Amino acid sequence: EIVMTQSPATLSVSPGERATLSCRASQSVSSNLAWYQQKPGQAPRLLIYGASTRATGIPARFSGSGSGTEFTLTISSLQSEDFAVYYCQQYNNWPPALTFGGGTKVEIK
Amino acid sequence: QITLKESGPTLVKPTQTLTLTCTFSGFSLSTSGVGVGWIRQPPGKALEWLALIYWDDDKRYSPSLESRLTITKDTSKNQVVLTMTNMDPVDTATYYCAHRLRETAVRAFDYWGQGTLVTVSS
Repeated sequence: EIVMTQSPATLSVSPGERATLSCRASQSVSSNLAWYQQKPGQAPRLLIYGASTRATGIPARFSGSGSGTEFTLTISSLQSEDFAVYYCQQYNNWPPALTFGGGTKVEIK
Repeated sequence: QITLKESGPTLVKPTQTLTLTCTFSGFSLSTSGVGVGWIRQPPGKALEWLALIYWDDDKRYSPSLESRLTITKDTSKNQVVLTMTNMDPVDTATYYCAHRLRETAVRAFDYWGQGTLVTVSS
C-alpha cells in the first residue's frame, strides 16, 4: 500500500500570506493525486486533481504542483475561509487502493 | 445538481453488522463512467477510503477491510448500500458516500454527502 505523508501537521499563517503544504508518496503515483479541503463539521471538498487541475469552482489562489512522490498545494493569499484541514489522496495504485494523507491543518497565526 | 445523503444507524454494538444507505440525485448509476464510493473518518482523524462501485457493477474494496465489506447498488432507487460486518469500537467514525469525478482514470470524489456518525459501543 502506498503511504501518503503530509507536512507540516499544522501550519500557522496570517491572512493574506502564502501557504505551502506538502504531500509525499512512499512510491511514485505519477500525477494521480488529489487535494481536498475540510472545514469543521463539513464533508471534504475537492480542490485539485491530476496534481494540478483545479476542480470546478475552485478559486485560482489554489494551485497544485508536483509529480512522482513530491507534491505541493499552494494557497497564494490566504482568505479567512481557507483556514481548514487539507488532505492529499493518491489514486495511482489502482487497483487496489485509494489512500489519503494524514492532513495538514492551516490555522490563523 | 448532484446531492448525496447517507442514512443508517447511529449506534451499533460490537460484532454487529452495519448497513448504510447512500441516496443520491442528479446523476444515474447506470450512466457510463459513474461511480460512488464510501469513505470514513474517525473522530479527529484522517480520511480512509472503504469501497467504490461503478456503473457496470465493478466493485473495489480497501484491501485491509475487504473481508468485511460489501457494496451494492440499486439503480432504480438511486441508492448505494455498504455493509460492514463484525463491527468494533475502532470502526466508530463518520461515514461518507461520494460521487466519483467523471474524468477518465481519475478516482477522486467531487460531491460528498454530509456524512453520518456511527458509534460502536455496547
